[in-house]
Amino acid sequence: EPEVTQTPSHQVTQMGQEVILRCVPISNHLYFYWYRQILGQKVEFLVSFYNNEISEKSEIFDDQFSVERPDGSNFTLKIRSTKLEDSAMYFCASRGTGGPLGDGYTFGSGTRLTVV
Amino acid sequence: TQLLEQSPQFLSIQEGENLTVYCNSSSVFSSLQWYRQEPGEGPVLLVTVVTGGEVKKLKRLTFQFGDARKDSSLHITAAQPGDTGLYLCAGAGISNYQLIWGAGTKLIIKP
Repeated sequence: EPEVTQTPSHQVTQMGQEVILRCVPISNHLYFYWYRQILGQKVEFLVSFYNNEISEKSEIFDDQFSVERPDGSNFTLKIRSTKLEDSAMYFCASRGTGGPLGDGYTFGSGTRLTVV
Repeated sequence: TQLLEQSPQFLSIQEGENLTVYCNSSSVFSSLQWYRQEPGEGPVLLVTVVTGGEVKKLKRLTFQFGDARKDSSLHITAAQPGDTGLYLCAGAGISNYQLIWGAGTKLIIKP
């Protein structure tokens, strides 16, 4: 069964450092997302990406965050200068077709980011 | 701001019992999804409901979308220890692409 692959599974970084979280979505999917889940809290939307541009982003997704699809297969989330409060599980998801009524999402297993 | 209230937050029952988990909002969603999440893993989609009043069954799990598309329920019949996990509901907005998540129901089925 097709799956979304995320690397690394766990990243520890020092406050102020840049991190790049990588995702390989399902190959024929068109919509890509990043969500995060702080330990013990709800899953939160960060950003959606379609047709090589951001289609929607949340208040969390400030200027420290950026996304890129550099080569048609990878989908990356960059945090420019990490803060302690960025520590969370970051999930990548992809979706096949359609708008809000479209197919369900497939989530990766997540990257646990720990900022020290 | 769209919110999804999920209840109960925690449920521990004996094997063989039935249970229902609820997901409620004052907002209308274009679709609502139920996920199961294991510790340290990403959410795994169980079902998507789209039409008001829709009922979908997945073995012993029955999912229902409210007529007004503001609420949903997950009913498990004759729960088994293998059903133990975190169940999350998530709603898709009418005009946007993000999912709004409930806080989850942690379900424990005791043998």
